[in-house]
Amino acid sequence: DGGITQSPKYLFRKEGQNVTLSCEQNLNHDAMYWYRQDPGQGLRLIYYSQIVNDFQKGDIAEGYSVSREKKESFPLTVTSAQKNPTAFYLCASSLRGDTQYFGPGTRLTVL
Amino acid sequence: AQSVTQLGSHVSVSEGALVLLRCNYSSSVPPYLFWYVQYPNQGLQLLLKYTTGATLVKGINGFEAEFKKSETSFHLTKPSAHMSDAAEYFCAVSDQLFGAQKLVFGQGTRLTINP
Repeated sequence: DGGITQSPKYLFRKEGQNVTLSCEQNLNHDAMYWYRQDPGQGLRLIYYSQIVNDFQKGDIAEGYSVSREKKESFPLTVTSAQKNPTAFYLCASSLRGDTQYFGPGTRLTVL
Repeated sequence: AQSVTQLGSHVSVSEGALVLLRCNYSSSVPPYLFWYVQYPNQGLQLLLKYTTGATLVKGINGFEAEFKKSETSFHLTKPSAHMSDAAEYFCAVSDQLFGAQKLVFGQGTRLTINP
């Protein structure tokens, strides 16, 4: 069954800690994306990657880092430099130039 | 720079009534436009998209949208609301179809259906 998986579904972090959110897809898509969703603000692009070993900053990349070592995987690290990390994080993927398909999301809460 | 404005953060309609969710965009190049739906604590699902060609686009679940260049609008409609349509709806714009597609989203409209 093809799709996008994100784990964990819920994540709690203490202030000052780095955490990594997982995103895996088995759709053979080239491009992958990370978005942050806050209430009343829609989705904002954090990072995106068109091919393996290449990625670009989106609109709100500060305090985040990514890697793209495999076509199927695009993990997002929320670093301690991100001042307000509590949010709902969504991963998406697409064939080049085609519709983006979204994963179920990870809700991150900073304690 | 592109932007999207969704008029009304909350819309409430009765079951069986017309659904109209408004979206206006700003783009310096011909836009590609999308409507996504999100159910609570889930990811986004594509409802429909406009790229080129016919300006009236039909999507899933009985929804449709019309691209009006002169009004820079892409409003979403459904003739008869169903309880299962209750969700949050996002309009998005992109200026490219090749390579990575950088979507700019509106702030969302929460649709409530009254029995």
